[in-house]
Amino acid sequence: DIQMTQSPASLSASLGETISIECLASEGISSYLAWYQQKPGKSPQLLIYGANSLQAGVPSRFSGSGSGTQYSLKISSMQPEDEGDYFCQQSYKFPYTFGAGTKLELK
Amino acid sequence: QVKLQQSGAELVKPGASVKLSCKTSGYTFSTSYMSWFKQIPGQSIEWIGMIYAGDGGTGYNQKFKGKATLTVDTSSSTAYMDLSSLTTEDSAVYFCARDGSTPYGWFAYWGQGTLVTVSS
Repeated sequence: DIQMTQSPASLSASLGETISIECLASEGISSYLAWYQQKPGKSPQLLIYGANSLQAGVPSRFSGSGSGTQYSLKISSMQPEDEGDYFCQQSYKFPYTFGAGTKLELK
Repeated sequence: QVKLQQSGAELVKPGASVKLSCKTSGYTFSTSYMSWFKQIPGQSIEWIGMIYAGDGGTGYNQKFKGKATLTVDTSSSTAYMDLSSLTTEDSAVYFCARDGSTPYGWFAYWGQGTLVTVSS
């Protein structure tokens, strides 16, 4: 199975701060990479697909980049509603696998 | 709009089985793929498997083979997941999520989740 190593495990950011979350795949995944936000007691929400495509309705402060084995999610200006857990997920090979998650909090 | 409505929380005894449902609306169910996921609260997400509603073809994560069985009822646009021989390690929230007619493996539409608690 492809292992997705996500970092950091937790992050505290100030209002308006730019943050990045990283995901490293154990082998190349050809941009078959998605990012999700999940709030407590809720379903995951798709933010980014195909490594860098913004899902409809997601604020433009979210962006994704990367290739090969290294990918990142950037939030350009932290807002209170951005608090939550963030997960990366590869769909290059079965079984689909997720990173361990990053807990993002407002400082 | 696309909706996935999952069945309610379950409390089941060890060794028992449970069948979860995911009723869909707002899109053509019979030409889409559906995946199921497991999430223990506070932990990451695991992909259990997927089913193509058009012909019932399935693919499973090896870890869940023998544990989960995916089926669909196209007449009611509903997907099902049977979980068998339950243990406390199966206690989790289970989600269904719709892939597209081409299964790229990105999930924009999710059910609200079903909490399964296995306890005697």
